[in-house]
Amino acid sequence: QLVLTQSPSASASLGASVKLTCTLSSGHSSYAIAWHQQQPEKGPRYLMKLNSDGSHSKGDGIPDRFSGSSSGAERYLTISSLQSEDEADYYCQTWGTDIRVFGGGTKLTVL
Amino acid sequence: EVQLVESGGGLVQPGRSLRLSCTASGFTFGDYAMSWFRQAPGKGLEWVGFIRSKGYGGTTEYAASVRGRFTISRDDSKSIAYLQMNSLKTEDTAVYYCTREEGGVADYWGQGTLVTVSS
Repeated sequence: QLVLTQSPSASASLGASVKLTCTLSSGHSSYAIAWHQQQPEKGPRYLMKLNSDGSHSKGDGIPDRFSGSSSGAERYLTISSLQSEDEADYYCQTWGTDIRVFGGGTKLTVL
Repeated sequence: EVQLVESGGGLVQPGRSLRLSCTASGFTFGDYAMSWFRQAPGKGLEWVGFIRSKGYGGTTEYAASVRGRFTISRDDSKSIAYLQMNSLKTEDTAVYYCTREEGGVADYWGQGTLVTVSS
């Protein structure tokens, strides 16, 4: 079964960096994922597609502060030079031929 | 500029029906699959279903929670995707989002429309 696992929460200081993790279920370590951001009281926004080899392509207007990387079944979103507007929920998403799956989301607090 | 605008949400009684629309602009609508997602109050994102482009058969796939009750269709001449929701349940209460899809990736999102199922 295709499942994505995320930690419920994370925090980091203004100006620092943070690395969020999304873990693919067993047998699915080759899958690409997408990262989405949802700021408070707003709809989601697509950040990037992240492949198993760590290559990634970002959505329109996504700052260079956002980057992705991969290791085995883990997919990472790194946000550097944290700003207050980065405080949001971050969701990873993946897909199969006939299914789309989300992780439970990570709530990022900027201290 | 790609834009997706959902409409048709509102308050509906359990067991009744509602049709949502997603009006697209800024891209060649017929070339893309379109997906619907939802988010219940205070909860995470949940996939509802998607419709492939006509080039890939225009077929649909649905989450188990809505299969048999919800139907997705598209009108490429109008650049609109629809979500027909029948036999609505209180647990279908959510903000519903449509997205454009590129190879499984939801790369553009609408602003969402709220559906409240309550007596």
